[in-house]
Amino acid sequence: NAGVTQTPKFRVLKTGQSMTLLCAQDMNHEYMYWYRQDPGMGLRLIHYSVGEGTTAKGEVPDGYNVSRLKKQNFLLGLESAAPSQTSVYFCASSYSAGVNTGELFFGEGSRLTVL
Amino acid sequence: AQKVTQAQTEISVVEKEDVTLDCVYETRDTTYYLFWYKQPPSGELVFLIRRNSFDEQNEISGRYSWNFQKSTSSFNFTITASQVVDSAVYFCALSGGFKTIFGAGTRLFVKA
Repeated sequence: NAGVTQTPKFRVLKTGQSMTLLCAQDMNHEYMYWYRQDPGMGLRLIHYSVGEGTTAKGEVPDGYNVSRLKKQNFLLGLESAAPSQTSVYFCASSYSAGVNTGELFFGEGSRLTVL
Repeated sequence: AQKVTQAQTEISVVEKEDVTLDCVYETRDTTYYLFWYKQPPSGELVFLIRRNSFDEQNEISGRYSWNFQKSTSSFNFTITASQVVDSAVYFCALSGGFKTIFGAGTRLFVKA
């Protein structure tokens, strides 16, 4: 059982380049999330999705776009990368949210460096 | 707005010492959930516990215990007889709807 899989695991970009991070989950979870982790700041929510075809902004959405065309996939895009987007990105999914929020299942993380 | 504060940035203890990690939260929701996650040096995030706002019973799981007090908006985590393998970053998190937000984390060093 793969759980939550993120690709790529590592990427180096130049300022202004674009890229997409792919998150795939095989647990049939409705809810999916993208977080970034920076030293001393914990995990900050970028965008999330409560189901196929839906997306919503989190705490730090600027500079990122997302899409959830299929229930199992959640894509995070950077249209014009900036050095401030150097971070470790985590995708997560959950079987429930709202009135009965379940725990998050995380991918292994994707380390992005923007030069 | 929701907020999670983990005031302890780093804690260093010697093996077999007990250690408590503090977590204070803010929310206007009446129904919410609190979590603790562990991030060992390998980098993955491991779920430890989930607690809902209506259940203030303390919980013990082996060497781990959690103390939830709504009156002080705290959800503290205690490791008894710490071990080197407990060395990790520990995150407290709060969910009051569809979003889960995290504290900044506490890095725990357990020295042999």
